[in-house]
Amino acid sequence: AQSVTQLGSHVSVSEGALVLLRCNYSSSVPPYLFWYVQYPNQGLQLLLKYTSAATLVKGINGFEAEFKKSETSFHLTKPSAHMSDAAEYFCAVSGDTGFQKLVFGTGTRLLVSP
Amino acid sequence: DGGITQSPKYLFRKEGQNVTLSCEQNLNHDAMYWYRQDPGQGLRLIYYSQIVNDFQKGDIAEGYSVSREKKESFPLTVTSAQKNPTAFYLCASSGLKNTGELFFGEGSRLTVL
Repeated sequence: AQSVTQLGSHVSVSEGALVLLRCNYSSSVPPYLFWYVQYPNQGLQLLLKYTSAATLVKGINGFEAEFKKSETSFHLTKPSAHMSDAAEYFCAVSGDTGFQKLVFGTGTRLLVSP
Repeated sequence: DGGITQSPKYLFRKEGQNVTLSCEQNLNHDAMYWYRQDPGQGLRLIYYSQIVNDFQKGDIAEGYSVSREKKESFPLTVTSAQKNPTAFYLCASSGLKNTGELFFGEGSRLTVL
């Protein structure tokens, strides 16, 4: 079975500060990892994905994530937070049966203050 | 524009009533999914379908039913057997060569009174 742990249900940053959202995974096979973003009362949108190519993955809106096998981590970062980044972020790992069944973390709500 | 349409966006129901949530996609995707979202619990898979006339149970299928008669449509029925149906329900789809990217609808919020 595969699982994802997101550390911190809420993260608060000031506008312009570094954003760091943590994700650790557990997988018995080489994982495929994803970050999704959800704005209030909306569906999820893919930010970026790791599918065994480059370990540093760049996504939309200036976000990036680094796959670290030794640490079983896939943390999401952005150098400078913007007010529009306030949302909930979900890390996900592909299931044992392949891409079809993503296993999601419990989410981290990012709060950005002026 | 292509996308996934869920309806209704908000729904209220009395205990003991069945309710059906609609999900339609025009992305020509083969696979469709239903997730349930509760605060602090992330997304949990209810049912998924990889092809017309076939579907599989996810992790929390009890009290729910689905059908997949057309490629474009994957309705979810929340039955009276579902003990705690109040939640935000998300429908998603993905292409045949799934690279893990799910395309989500905007969700349906069900409240049981």
